[in-house]
Amino acid sequence: GAGVSQSPSNKVTEKGKDVELRCDPISGHTALYWYRQSLGQGLEFLIYFQGNSAPDKSGLPSDRFSAERTGGSVSTLTIQRTQQEDSAVYLCASTLRGGGSSYEQYFGPGTRLTVT
Amino acid sequence: GQNIDQPTEMTATEGAIVQINCTYQTSGFNGLFWYQQHAGEAPTFLSYNVLDGLEEKGRFSSFLSRSKGYSYLLLKELQMKDSASYLCALSGNTGKLIFGQGTTLQVKP
Repeated sequence: GAGVSQSPSNKVTEKGKDVELRCDPISGHTALYWYRQSLGQGLEFLIYFQGNSAPDKSGLPSDRFSAERTGGSVSTLTIQRTQQEDSAVYLCASTLRGGGSSYEQYFGPGTRLTVT
Repeated sequence: GQNIDQPTEMTATEGAIVQINCTYQTSGFNGLFWYQQHAGEAPTFLSYNVLDGLEEKGRFSSFLSRSKGYSYLLLKELQMKDSASYLCALSGNTGKLIFGQGTTLQVKP
């Protein structure tokens, strides 16, 4: 079956512009996570959705970052007024059930964001 | 915090066995995951430990000791395709994963 998909795969933007990154999770997965992987760094948690609500936004680095999820499916991560330090690979993952479950997270291929 | 430490790089020979260690300083987590990530690709699930002990899946095994704050991933009969980064991650109450920096393994012929 189809896995997690993300678009665009690559995005180059000028400093100060806004960008939107999209994630399509696996059908039926209620939990969705966004992570960021900067060059030479480990994956860093950004935000968790259970259904359409976001009970954990603790990883968002600043108020320039926001995310939403609609219909319990597609999620969009928006970065306003991008800065060079926002350059990273943004990964989305979904799983059958969130919370304290043991279900593995399935990752999408990521969006490579470069801010010039 | 949940400081998670892994060696940055390791090298091993095709056909050999390699052990990748992961240490952490927290008691508050649900379980420990290991993921594999090839360069430029998404992480893929390898194993999950919630109880102390060894979990075996084919050529890969993972061990957890909560009292010692320690886990390892054991790869047997190494193949060239095992060259990748191996990520140790703790799962919290929301299911979010807190990752270590990852260990880049190079398998040589």
